[in-house]
Amino acid sequence: AQSVAQPEDQVNVAEGNPLTVKCTYSVSGNPYLFWYVQYPNRGLQFLLKYITGDNLVKGSYGFEAEFNKSQTSFHLKKPSALVSDSALYFCAVRGLNAGGTSYGKLTFGQGTILTVHP
Amino acid sequence: ETGVTQTPRHLVMGMTNKKSLKCEQHLGHNAMYWYKQSAKKPLELMFVYNFKEQTENNSVPSRFSPECPNSSHLFLHLHTLQPEDSALYLCASSFGQAYSYEQYFGPGTRLTVT
Repeated sequence: AQSVAQPEDQVNVAEGNPLTVKCTYSVSGNPYLFWYVQYPNRGLQFLLKYITGDNLVKGSYGFEAEFNKSQTSFHLKKPSALVSDSALYFCAVRGLNAGGTSYGKLTFGQGTILTVHP
Repeated sequence: ETGVTQTPRHLVMGMTNKKSLKCEQHLGHNAMYWYKQSAKKPLELMFVYNFKEQTENNSVPSRFSPECPNSSHLFLHLHTLQPEDSALYLCASSFGQAYSYEQYFGPGTRLTVT
């Protein structure tokens, strides 16, 4: 069964500092990886994805993520955090289904609350 | 904001009521999804529709009944709910076959069962 782990429930950073939100995964086959952000009282917004190709993926709002196959990680990063980046961040993965015949459903991590202090 | 709208945004209902949640996507997508988001729990996939056909029901109690009349609209009919069903219900849609591409979410309906 596929799974996603976001080991930190909360991440606190000062505005202007770099930020990292961690994600590790376990899937069969090559993973499709996604990051979503959720602001209070809103739905999830798609940030970026990795399907294939360059391991460094750039997304919305200056975010990027690095796919590391050997470490099965897909950490979200931003060089300089903004207070407005404070939100709940979800990592998600899609891999082969149980039969190994096709790609299965998307599995979400539990989310990481990012707080950026002024 | 994302092309996926949900109504109502907030709903309070008693355990004996019947109500429906509506989702509409304006993105030309073919797959639609219902998720349940509860505090301190991972996002739970409830139902998946692919080209109007239901392809997944993740052991959801029968008091939740989905309906997808066309690729743009998705409903979740609710009846005799329990207090533990109180949560944020999110609708999402995606292009092509289900799970092929990233999903776009609506703002959600905050449901409170009293």
